[in-house]
Amino acid sequence: RKEVEQDPGPFNVPEGATVAFNCTYSNSASQSFFWYRQDCRKEPKLLMSVYSSGNEDGRFTAQLNRASQYISLLIRDSKLSDSATYLCAVSAGYSSASKIIFGSGTRLSIRP
Amino acid sequence: DAEITQSPRHKITETGRQVTLACHQTWNHNNMFWYRQDLGHGLRLIHYSYGVHDTNKGEVSDGYSVSRSNTEDLPLTLESAASSQTSVYFCASSEARAGASKDEQFFGPGTRLTVL
Repeated sequence: RKEVEQDPGPFNVPEGATVAFNCTYSNSASQSFFWYRQDCRKEPKLLMSVYSSGNEDGRFTAQLNRASQYISLLIRDSKLSDSATYLCAVSAGYSSASKIIFGSGTRLSIRP
Repeated sequence: DAEITQSPRHKITETGRQVTLACHQTWNHNNMFWYRQDLGHGLRLIHYSYGVHDTNKGEVSDGYSVSRSNTEDLPLTLESAASSQTSVYFCASSEARAGASKDEQFFGPGTRLTVL
């Protein structure tokens, strides 16, 4: 089993739709959680960190469920510019807190 | 502005040649990482460093080496390039302080390496 797993997609949704991604992780000692966005042929860029209480940044909401070991990303009122690959990332655990394991990414395509 | 850069951005080489990819960051981050990204595999960790003179193997370290002689640079060397090492290589860095909660990594623009 992979340490971090994501549905690869692609998700193809109309502009204005709400879309949600889930990501599961296997290491219960993981402490830090992130969502990254990666545009085609570009480097990954941090979209948002995921906090225990859940957090929101504009149209984006991230949730963490420690009991079930998954994180989620919700995008509301999706825009054409949201088309990208979304990578979830999870820290490796107490002894290697700075090492991050990335999922393979979920591809999102927003259509007009 | 602080940043992380990689060079070259594109490289074509031949099987068996030694290749070095440069990574330079000006954030004064202690942690630096090298990943390769291939279709179907996502980002895979090659080597990483938590500080000067510290290096560690990642999940796909065979055929690669790194050295950390200063805070700013972590060059990645392919000792004898193989066609299987054709990939996009990303360098990243993160801050490390005792009790720090922010482990987010910042990525360089990537190097596209083709081994013929």
